[in-house]
Amino acid sequence: DIQMTQSPSSLSASVGDRVTITCRASQGISNSLAWYQQKPGKAPKLLLYAASRLESGVPSRFSGSGSGTDYTLTISSLQPEDFATYYCQQYYSTPPRYTFGQGTKLEIK
Amino acid sequence: EVQLVESGGGLVKPGGSLRLSCAASGFTFSSYSMNWVRQAPGKGLEWVSSISSSSSYIYYADSVKGRFTISRDNAKNSLYLQMNSLRAEDTAVYYCAREPYDSSGYYSDYWGQGTLVTVSS
Repeated sequence: DIQMTQSPSSLSASVGDRVTITCRASQGISNSLAWYQQKPGKAPKLLLYAASRLESGVPSRFSGSGSGTDYTLTISSLQPEDFATYYCQQYYSTPPRYTFGQGTKLEIK
Repeated sequence: EVQLVESGGGLVKPGGSLRLSCAASGFTFSSYSMNWVRQAPGKGLEWVSSISSSSSYIYYADSVKGRFTISRDNAKNSLYLQMNSLRAEDTAVYYCAREPYDSSGYYSDYWGQGTLVTVSS
């Protein structure tokens, strides 16, 4: 199975900061990567897919990049509502063995 | 508006069975693959199973293969997960999600609110 390693596992930042979260796959995944935001007690919310495509309705301060095995999620200017846990997920595996990163908890400094 | 509503969770003893349902609305259910993802208390997300739009293709995580069965009824706009031989480690919130297709593959866009399954004696 493809393993997904996210870093950091937790992060403290302030409103207005630029934040980057990294996800590394154990093998190349050809941009088959999604990013999700999850708030306590809520379902995950899709932010980006295909590594860099912004889901409809998601603010443009969220962006994604990367290729091969290494991918990043960037929030350009943190807003109060962005404090949450973020997960990456690869969907490259055939047959499907979709795997998630362990999550990055973004907290207020 | 796309809506996914899970039901059927609850408390079950180890070795027991439970059937989860996911009622879909606001989109053409029969055109989409669907999946189940679970989240143990305080833990991360784990993909459980996926089913194609016509049920032709079905996939399971190794952790549930042989114990769980995914199915769907396109006439009823419903997705199901039959869970047998339940173990304590199956305790989790179970989410259903829609899987649209993009050139990069199948990802999950809309998710239900989840239903809690607790396996305990």
